[in-house]
Amino acid sequence: DGGITQSPKYLFRKEGQNVTLSCEQNLNHDAMYWYRQDPGQGLRLIYYSQIVNDFQKGDIAEGYSVSREKKESFPLTVTSAQKNPTAFYLCASSIDGRGYQPQHFGDGTRLSIL
Amino acid sequence: QKEVEQDPGPLSVPEGAIVSLNCTYSNSAFQYFMWYRQYSRKGPELLMYTYSSGNKEDGRFTAQVDKSSKYISLFIRDSQPSDSATYLCAMIYHDGNQFYFGTGTSLTVIP
Repeated sequence: DGGITQSPKYLFRKEGQNVTLSCEQNLNHDAMYWYRQDPGQGLRLIYYSQIVNDFQKGDIAEGYSVSREKKESFPLTVTSAQKNPTAFYLCASSIDGRGYQPQHFGDGTRLSIL
Repeated sequence: QKEVEQDPGPLSVPEGAIVSLNCTYSNSAFQYFMWYRQYSRKGPELLMYTYSSGNKEDGRFTAQVDKSSKYISLFIRDSQPSDSATYLCAMIYHDGNQFYFGTGTSLTVIP
C-alpha cells in the first residue's frame, strides 16, 4: 500500500534536547514538505524539498533543520533553539512540487515538552 | 490580512442535513483549490481538487469555486456521522510551490 509513514506517533522532548521526526514515502514523489499544526492557526510550512539534496525554508524554519539524502525520506529535527515545539507535525508529499499537483499527508507526530 | 480565511466553527448539524463549508481568499492569482478532511489525531486526506472556477461533484461532495468573488465552497449532501471531522481548504498559484491553507472548520454530524 503506497503512502506516507510518520514516526513516532507521539514524542516527548526534554529541555535542551534535539529530537528527530521521521517521514518516509513510497509514492515515488519528488517533493516533500513539513508542516506544523497548532489549534486555530492552520498548517504552517516549515521546510520543503523538491529534489534530493535540496530543500528550502518555509515560513517558520527557525529552530528546525531537515535533510533530503534519499527520495523516500525527509527527516525533521526540532532543535533546542525552537522554544515552543509543542505541536502536531505533518509530513506531506506531491508528485513533483508543481502547483497543480495536490499534496498527500502522513498521520502526523505529536510532540510535547516534558 | 490572511491569504485564506475560513470560519473555524464549530458547526453541528443533524444527520441527513446539507452542509456548506466556505473559504475566502485575497489573492486572485490562486488557480488550484483543494478540500481536505482531517479526523482527530490523523493527517488530512484529500477530498476534492478543482482548477479555476466552476463546480466538481464526487458522490455526496460538491466543490464550488467562484473566482470573481474569491470564494470557494464544499457542500456535503445527506451528511453522516462519519463526516464528523475538521475540513481544511487549500489553494496554490499556477506556478507556485507553496500551498496556503485555511485554519479548518470543525464539523459534527449528530445521529
